[in-house]
This record gives sequence, C-alpha cells and structure tokens, in this order.
Amino acid sequence: ETGVTQTPRHLVMGMTNKKSLKCEQHLGHNAMYWYKQSAKKPLELMFVYSLEERVENNSVPSRFSPECPNSSHLFLHLHTLQPEDSALYLCASSQDYGTGNLLQPQHFGDGTRLSIL
Amino acid sequence: DQQVKQNSPSLSVQEGRISILNCDYTNSMFDYFLWYKKYPAEGPTFLISISSIKDKNEDGRFTVFLNKSAKHLSLHIVPSQPGDSAVYFCAARVLYGNKLVFGAGTILRVKS
Repeated sequence: ETGVTQTPRHLVMGMTNKKSLKCEQHLGHNAMYWYKQSAKKPLELMFVYSLEERVENNSVPSRFSPECPNSSHLFLHLHTLQPEDSALYLCASSQDYGTGNLLQPQHFGDGTRLSIL
Repeated sequence: DQQVKQNSPSLSVQEGRISILNCDYTNSMFDYFLWYKKYPAEGPTFLISISSIKDKNEDGRFTVFLNKSAKHLSLHIVPSQPGDSAVYFCAARVLYGNKLVFGAGTILRVKS
C-alpha cells in the first residue's frame, strides 16, 4: 500500500448518527491534515496534527472531533451533523509541520464524499 | 475574504496549444506557491511549486511564473494534452509553517 488512504469513500448518514472517517498514510510523515471541500469552494483546512499533537483547529464546530492515535492514522468523528456539512472530506500528510523553511508538499488521499440526510 | 483567488472557473484549450491558468493573492506573508491537479474521484496531487524569491520555475511541460509586485502567479502547460484535463488548484503556504491556503480551482478541458 502506498500514499494516503481514506475510508470509506462514500458515506450517507442522518443528522442524529455517529460515524467516523479514517485516514492512513504509509509515507512515514509526521504531520496530518483534515480539509473540507464544498462544491465550487476552496479547500478549507479543518485540523492539523503534528507528531500526534493537534496544532491547528480552524474554528471547526464541535460536532467534528479529530483523533490522531499515532503518526500514521487520523480519524474524524462525526456527531449530529447538519445538511451543510455535506462535502468532500480530504486527508493529507506531509513530512513535517512548521519546521524550517523547506517546502514539504502535502500528499492527499482520495477523500470521503459525505452526504447528510 | 479569500486570500487566494482563481477568477476563471473553467478554461478550454485545443490539444497542442498552451494552457494558462491564473491565480491572484492578497497576503504578502506567503513564502511558497503551489499548484495541485485533481482528477474526478481522486485527491489533489502536487504538480509544481515556486518560492516567493523566484519568478519562474519549470518542470517539463509545466512552468509557473510569479509576479510579486502584482501578487499574481500563472501556470503554463505547453503543449497541452487531453490527459491534462482536470481541476487545477492554486495554493499558497503561510510563512514559517506548512499551512496552505487554496483557491477555488479552475477546470481545464483540453480538446483533441
């Protein structure tokens, strides 16, 4: 397995359900990211983890709860979502976060398409 | 307020001709600019980058130009191929970190 893998690829859930999105990276990276992409909008950064510690939380509602148990895995726990939360959720990883000036491009998974009924 | 803007939602180009995708930014605290390419049902893949201290970076058919005074960058694809048809995202890295700010994307269609 290579790169960044996200599961499931598609998820339909009701507003009262609880579900989780999973991301796994096989690149030996130390930083992982969650993004939200709504139709015709820019990717919005939600959370950043560096060495399993959350370093960015971009005013994301508490109904989204991230978890990073180790540097290879990242979860996004979903609870009581709203219809406007329907979007493509992308996970990414990079070698490091916030160290030095060298550019470290982020590598993305293929995303989870989430639909809230 | 969007700090990175791609004002053209779509672009159509004939195979073999040049494709030019544009991006404007407002924040002077960006130190790198990147282009990502995205096919349907796949995640964005990194294409090319440029440091804010450079004005040009070339990689095969892809060249990125940066005009700092105009806060404008462009991606040139020469010659364009049908396989280049995708959504292209411009992104900018915030100084001293790895946080990226993305534009909304431009859909490129290369006609054969």
